[in-house]
Parts: sequence; C-alpha cells; structure tokens
Amino acid sequence: QKEVEQNSGPLSVPEGAIASLNCTYSDRVSQSFFWYRQYSGKSPELIMSIYSNGDKEDGRFTAQLNKASQYVSLLIRDSQPSDSATYLCAVPSNFGNEKLTFGTGTRLTIIP
Amino acid sequence: EAGVTQFPSHSVIEKGQTVTLRCDPISGHDNLYWYRRVMGKEIKFLLHFVKESKQDESGMPNNRFLAERTGGTYSTLKVQPAELEDSGVYFCASSQTAIEQYFGPGTRLTVT
Repeated sequence: QKEVEQNSGPLSVPEGAIASLNCTYSDRVSQSFFWYRQYSGKSPELIMSIYSNGDKEDGRFTAQLNKASQYVSLLIRDSQPSDSATYLCAVPSNFGNEKLTFGTGTRLTIIP
Repeated sequence: EAGVTQFPSHSVIEKGQTVTLRCDPISGHDNLYWYRRVMGKEIKFLLHFVKESKQDESGMPNNRFLAERTGGTYSTLKVQPAELEDSGVYFCASSQTAIEQYFGPGTRLTVT
C-alpha cells in the first residue's frame, strides 16, 4: 500500500460546481496534512493545511480531515476554470524533519 | 518577498556528464529540502538541510548525488556521472518552521 494515495484522475467538473478531491494515508500517527496546487510546468503551491479532525475553510476551499478513517479531502466550491490544475496531497513525517510524502496528484479540469 | 528560485530551469545533458543544480531559498529560511519527480511518479524527498548541516539524506538515490549548502544560504545538487534514470524535475523547497514548505519552480533535467 502506498503511503499517500490519490485518484490520479483526470477529474472533470463543470464551472460553478463543487470539485471534490480525496486522499488516504497509511501512517496512523500523522498529524499534519497539506494540499498543494500545481499548474502545468509550475511549482507546487501550498493552498491548505489542516491539523485537526473536521473541516477547515479558506475562501472557496474546504479541507476535511478524518483521522480515524485516515482520510483527507479538499472541496472547491464554485469551481472556476483557473482552478484547473493538479492537486497534490502531502503528509509530513513525524520524525522531526517534516519531509513530505506526496500522493501522485489528481488532475482537475474545470469545464466552462 | 522573493520566493524560492532555482537554476537552471532546464538542463539537457548526455549520460556520463555532470550537472549542478542550484537553489536559493526564501531569505531567512533555515530549512531547505530537495525533492524529485520522475515521469509518472509522485514527488519524492531527497534530502533536508538545516542551515548548512544535512539533517536527513535518506532519500538520496546513490553516491552519484552530492548536495551542499554553503554558509546556510543557497544549495547545490550535483549529479556525477548522470544516468538516464536521473531524468526528472528537481524541486527545492524552503521553510522557516519545518512545517509549511514553499517550493521553487523546479529544474527539469533530461539525460540522453
């Protein structure tokens, strides 16, 4: 089992709809979770971090964490064409250096 | 505030040659990380510096890779001699807190 798993997509969502991106992780003691957005040929950009069970909202983005199920998701409300990108789920190690383990990413396309 | 910068953006070299990649972190960030993404795979950790010291180099593939961080500022990653399987995108990230990491644009390395 991979340490961090994501559906690679592609995921196509109509403009204005809700895009739902999912991630599961294998290490039960993981405490922090990050979502990065990467446009083609660009650097991964940190868009959300979540540390506690439940929901965290930031503008049109909501991160959801369920540690019991080892599941973290990202919801994008009112999807815009500019949201089309690859979304990477990342989990840091718990050994003090916080090196990130990434999923393969989900490619999201918002259809106008 | 300037972000993480990397040089060059692209490099094409022949098998057996040497290449040196450079990363300039965000000013004041003591933590510097190198990651690599090979085609079709997830981004993988290579190593972590705290200031000029190597904190964790567990992700370095083999002894053909040498990373340095002079004076705790910029870092270089040298591949010598390069092999075909070294092709990929090399990302550098920096962090002040060792929690949230900020990525550079990457160097795309092609070994022919």
